[in-house]
Amino acid sequence: EPEVTQTPSHQVTQMGQEVILRCVPISNHLYFYWYRQILGQKVEFLVSFYNNEISEKSEIFDDQFSVERPDGSNFTLKIRSTKLEDSAMYFCASRRTGGHNTEAFFGQGTRLTVV
Amino acid sequence: AQSVTQLDSHVSVSEGTPVLLRCNYSSSYSPSLFWYVQHPNKGLQLLLKYTSAATLVKGINGFEAEFKKSETSFHLTKPSAHMSDAAEYFCVVSDTKGGATNKLIFGTGTLLAVQP
Repeated sequence: EPEVTQTPSHQVTQMGQEVILRCVPISNHLYFYWYRQILGQKVEFLVSFYNNEISEKSEIFDDQFSVERPDGSNFTLKIRSTKLEDSAMYFCASRRTGGHNTEAFFGQGTRLTVV
Repeated sequence: AQSVTQLDSHVSVSEGTPVLLRCNYSSSYSPSLFWYVQHPNKGLQLLLKYTSAATLVKGINGFEAEFKKSETSFHLTKPSAHMSDAAEYFCVVSDTKGGATNKLIFGTGTLLAVQP
């Protein structure tokens, strides 16, 4: 069964460093998302991406964040200068279509720890 | 704006007894609702979805949910809990703003514990 894969599963980084979280969405999906879950809090939307551009972003997704689809398979989230409060589980998701009744498929997540 | 409220942060049941995880939604439109499950150290897995075709929705692993518009609820049930059901469950509504997004809006989650 096709699945969304994320790497790494765990990343520890020093405050101020850049990190890149990687995702391989399901191959025939067209809509891509990043969500995050700070420990003990709810899963929050960060950004959606379609047709090689951001279609919506949340208030969390400030200038420190960027997304890219550098080739036909990878979808990355970059945090330029990490802060302690960026520590969270980051989930990548993809959808075949953007319709509101289309389910999203999630990766296993990357746990980012900023020290 | 769409939102979901999960009324219980923790639910504990005994193996073999029924499970009820409660969710209420708020939506200006006819919503699309989902239940996702997250087992420890695993990703988010879709259990079931409601998209206005039928009010009683059956999902995987014996779970089902009933959409009740009059009560704005979408509670998740299972007749008989199994130890492997212990996980965190998220009620989710899809934003119906349209366009190329329709992001998912998550509830705060319910942690289900199953006692032997």
